[in-house]
Amino acid sequence: DVKVTQSSRYLVKRTGEKVFLECVQDMDHENMFWYRQDPGLGLRLIYFSYDVKMKEKGDIPEGYSVSREKKERFSLILESASTNQTSMYLCASSLPQGNQPQHFGDGTRLSIL
Amino acid sequence: QQQVKQSPQSLIVQKGGISIINCAYENTAFDYFPWYQQFPGKGPALLIAIRPDVSEKKEGRFTISFNKSAKQFSLHIMDSQPGDSATYFCAGLRVNFNKFYFGSGTKLNVKP
Repeated sequence: DVKVTQSSRYLVKRTGEKVFLECVQDMDHENMFWYRQDPGLGLRLIYFSYDVKMKEKGDIPEGYSVSREKKERFSLILESASTNQTSMYLCASSLPQGNQPQHFGDGTRLSIL
Repeated sequence: QQQVKQSPQSLIVQKGGISIINCAYENTAFDYFPWYQQFPGKGPALLIAIRPDVSEKKEGRFTISFNKSAKQFSLHIMDSQPGDSATYFCAGLRVNFNKFYFGSGTKLNVKP
């Protein structure tokens, strides 16, 4: 079974802090994704990566950056956290073919105070 | 602009009833339409998917109906059970681009 592990289930940070969210997958998947989930808005893509050191902007990249130094690890970085970044963050991975399912982690609920 | 619109936002169904969730898409280039199921405290997981050259796909109690001319598709859950209570997301994508566009989600509550 594919396992996508997000480092924290709950995280509380302060406005202006630099925040790191970590995600690790164990199935050697090429693609990795970061989404945020907000009520009534569904899942919105922040960034994705189709290879080590490669990244593509999603629909809402402003205020975020990502890092993929190793194939199994994809990090989301909030450069200077703001209260409107309080949300549930979901990481996913998949094989490169588009009709392959995305496998999600259980999410990190991030609160910015 | 939301490329996949989903309704209703929430749904309450009695045990044994039929749950129906509807989605409409804008991009006619989409060529794959998956549905994901998310239980509380868990990430979404693929439930069932369909390609636009097929009008219906059934897996157990779950059926996708697809209407290409209307750019609409729907999920039917037959004989709904309390264990089906979850949030359901539809999505559309272009397979060659591997970028999913998710609907806003439907929270289903099946009452015993």
